[in-house]
Amino acid sequence: ILNVEQSPQSLHVQEGDSTNFTCSFPSSNFYALHWYRWETAKSPEALFVMTLNGDEKKKGRISATLNTKEGYSYLYIKGSQPEDSATYLCASPSNSGYALNFGKGTSLLVTP
Amino acid sequence: DAGVIQSPRHEVTEMGQEVTLRCKPISGHDYLFWYRQTMMRGLELLIYFNNNVPIDDSGMPEDRFSAKMPNASFSTLKIQPSEPRDSAVYFCASGLTYNEQFFGPGTRLTVL
Repeated sequence: ILNVEQSPQSLHVQEGDSTNFTCSFPSSNFYALHWYRWETAKSPEALFVMTLNGDEKKKGRISATLNTKEGYSYLYIKGSQPEDSATYLCASPSNSGYALNFGKGTSLLVTP
Repeated sequence: DAGVIQSPRHEVTEMGQEVTLRCKPISGHDYLFWYRQTMMRGLELLIYFNNNVPIDDSGMPEDRFSAKMPNASFSTLKIQPSEPRDSAVYFCASGLTYNEQFFGPGTRLTVL
């Protein structure tokens, strides 16, 4: 994998459903994996930064796991709420270690 | 702290005109990044600075684009002459390290 890829592109769930989506990234020369939450008309907001294989991070109902050997991360949302509706971006630094290469995001819509 | 400040928030201009986007990073942050977001390409890095010095401008699309950071509290992204395909949302982000970037609200540029 040369670029950061995310799937699915969009997701529509009902309030209360749990959901998850995937980020795939180049596993060679891994530095870190970032998750951002991006609400419409706002700026991306950092959720997690993950650096170690097997890392699992949690913030409220949202959690993320990391597998650096196979190059993927999962983001989980337990009991989705309408306010979780947003685009979730993942990003991995380029070889420079500084600039972030972003995936195109997963657009999540949670309806009541 | 007010966060990353960008101006203007919206810009509508005609093809051929010069456009200047402005960014004030969070005080104390050594890194400043300019991103462009389009439907086709997602969020892509244009250029980033470390301690006011441009480090990687490989993402700048062509010579019509230029960026400067004359001091630690101000950066500009200039497009001259502007073209309709430059229409996008331009984000500025700053950070102490690459591990966490704080995004500004973005400038929505429309070139007619």
